[in-house]
Amino acid sequence: EDQVTQSPEALRLQEGESSSLNCSYTVSGLRGLFWYRQDPGKGPEFLFTLYSAGEEKEKERLKATLTKKESFLHITAPKPEDSATYLCAVQAKSWGKLQFGAGTQVVVTP
Amino acid sequence: DAMVIQNPRYQVTQFGKPVTLSCSQTLNHNVMYWYQQKSSQAPKLLFHYYDKDFNNEADTPDNFQSRRPNTSFCFLDIRSPGLGDAAMYLCATSRQQGLNTEAFFGQGTRLTVV
Repeated sequence: EDQVTQSPEALRLQEGESSSLNCSYTVSGLRGLFWYRQDPGKGPEFLFTLYSAGEEKEKERLKATLTKKESFLHITAPKPEDSATYLCAVQAKSWGKLQFGAGTQVVVTP
Repeated sequence: DAMVIQNPRYQVTQFGKPVTLSCSQTLNHNVMYWYQQKSSQAPKLLFHYYDKDFNNEADTPDNFQSRRPNTSFCFLDIRSPGLGDAAMYLCATSRQQGLNTEAFFGQGTRLTVV
C-alpha cells in the first residue's frame, strides 16, 4: 500500500534560519512526487513536481530534491511569509490519485 | 485566470439535513477529485472522476455522493450530515496523462454541522 510520512510534524524557525523538511514514501512505481503549501483555511497551493531520483526544483527560498525513498524540501533563509503547512503527495504510475502525507507545519518568527 | 472555484467557502448545515457543495474549473482538466480534510490531517480522497467515469474510494461512506454533469462542474452531496462530517472539503483537478499531472486545488468549503 502506498504510504507517505512527513517529518517533523511541526517546525519553528527564526527568520533566516535554514532547515529541511522530509517526506518518506513507499509506492509501487512512482509517477510523480508533489509538494504543496497550505495556508490556514485555504486549499493547497502547488509548488513542485519531481519525477525521478536526482531531480531538483527551486522556487525562491524553496528547493525540493528527490531520492528513491524520500524527498526533502529545503527552506533557505526563511521569512515570516514562509509560515504555512507543507504537504507532500505521491502519485503512482498505476493509479492517478494523490496520496498525501499529514504535512509539516512551519512557523517562521521575525 | 484559469482556476478551480468552490462554492460556498463556508457552509453551515443542520445535523441530518442534506447539503451540496459545488466546484467548477476553467482548466479543462479531465480528472476531478473531492478530498476531505480534518484539522491537522492529510487530505483524504473521497472519490474522483476520469472524465465521466466515477471512482469511489473503498472507505468513503455511502452518505457521500457526487455528480459531474459536464467537464467543468462537479458536486459533492452529503445526504445526512453528521457531526463527524464537519471538515474542509477540497476540490481538485488534474490532467490524467502526460508529464504535468499535478493537481490544482480550490480554496475549499469549510462545512460546519450543528
